[in-house]
Amino acid sequence: GQQLNQSPQSMFIQEGEDVSMNCTSSSIFNTWLWYKQDPGEGPVLLIALYKAGELTSNGRLTAQFGITRKDSFLNISASIPSDVGIYFCAGQLRYNNNDMRFGAGTRLTVKP
Amino acid sequence: EAQVTQNPRYLITVTGKKLTVTCSQNMNHEYMSWYRQDPGLGLRQIYYSMNVEVTDKGDVPEGYKVSRKEKRNFPLILESPSPNQTSLYFCASSPRGIPYEQYFGPGTRLTVT
Repeated sequence: GQQLNQSPQSMFIQEGEDVSMNCTSSSIFNTWLWYKQDPGEGPVLLIALYKAGELTSNGRLTAQFGITRKDSFLNISASIPSDVGIYFCAGQLRYNNNDMRFGAGTRLTVKP
Repeated sequence: EAQVTQNPRYLITVTGKKLTVTCSQNMNHEYMSWYRQDPGLGLRQIYYSMNVEVTDKGDVPEGYKVSRKEKRNFPLILESPSPNQTSLYFCASSPRGIPYEQYFGPGTRLTVT
């Protein structure tokens, strides 16, 4: 099935730095979502985006739904050690249908 | 506490020995689904269920079965496991109408030798 291209695969940053990651696809999505997965746990929803161009923040996290509906980015400002984990983008191809695709994830390491 | 539980958390088995991974949620959610997570591939959906007695194939259903006899439970069955089913499995549930707001279980790490 159609998967999402997520980049970068991994990032090593210093505490306090800003982070940016993105997802692209050749398909159009109705919903874009960003999840975080801590070691040994399941993914947790961070931000959900519902319409093209939408920009949404959740604390130090900001995500945008691309205007073409084929991409999305997630920014984390002023990173802290607890930001460490794997971040996944996900997209819902058809509204009100449990048809979701996930990116391969971005592994974030934050050095104190 | 609202949660999705999976059992077992870890399982090592041999090729061909039938196994079941249980999933239960206490949030009265109608949607439930199973994913497998493999390095470099992210999460891929195996099966999902939109309500009791309603199940559908996801992206990678081959070699798996599911059932949804009660709203709270959604077991994943491997009738004849093979080594390529070695993976990390997640169960998830979500409220009706908003399947993208999924709550994930803690995962089951399965190794098939």
